[in-house]
Amino acid sequence: DAGVTQSPTHLIKTRGQHVTLRCSPISGHKSVSWYQQVLGQGPQFIFQYYEKEERGRGNFPDRFSARQFPNYSSELNVNALLLGDSALYLCASSEGGRSYEQYFGPGTRLTVT
Amino acid sequence: AQSVTQLDSQVPVFEEAPVELRCNYSSSVSVYLFWYVQYPNQGLQLLLKYLSGSTLVKGINGFEAEFNKSQTSFHLRKPSVHISDTAEYFCAVMNTNAGKSTFGDGTTLTVKP
Repeated sequence: DAGVTQSPTHLIKTRGQHVTLRCSPISGHKSVSWYQQVLGQGPQFIFQYYEKEERGRGNFPDRFSARQFPNYSSELNVNALLLGDSALYLCASSEGGRSYEQYFGPGTRLTVT
Repeated sequence: AQSVTQLDSQVPVFEEAPVELRCNYSSSVSVYLFWYVQYPNQGLQLLLKYLSGSTLVKGINGFEAEFNKSQTSFHLRKPSVHISDTAEYFCAVMNTNAGKSTFGDGTTLTVKP
């Protein structure tokens, strides 16, 4: 079975641009969470979606948004990119909204220049 | 609110020596506890988890961890490390009522020959 997949693998953007990152959860999983991992730090929670509804939001500005589609895949959008948005963006899927076991994808490395 | 402190940012150790990676947490509610490993340019892989029951939990690759409620700690141990254990290790807590994880900043384990 395929694990969590994310695309693209790497991305380079310029300040002020917009970016869309994509995640496909494990088959049968209905919840997707997004994390930002800045170099040298642990992952920071951005969003959780379950059954296409937002279940949780971390301490990130409104430039960050996300959605979940009927097939449970998800997109993370970031507007007006800043240099500080450079990070590894991780997607994690789990069976349900309150499931404790998360499975992480390989991440998307975003570089903002 | 919850927080995680990994007490050592870097742990160098020789091959076949024992190792302990320390993790303390703070939370006002019940939590689940996790250790993840991250190899370079990869996502997170679950090593082990504590949900309830026995305070000593065993995980993959010979790792184990002990939950100490009075000291709010969840230290990771391995009796004999291999070169292949060189990686970044993250301790995380999850509120039992939510799907969001809070991570520590990681410990870099370097195993030397």
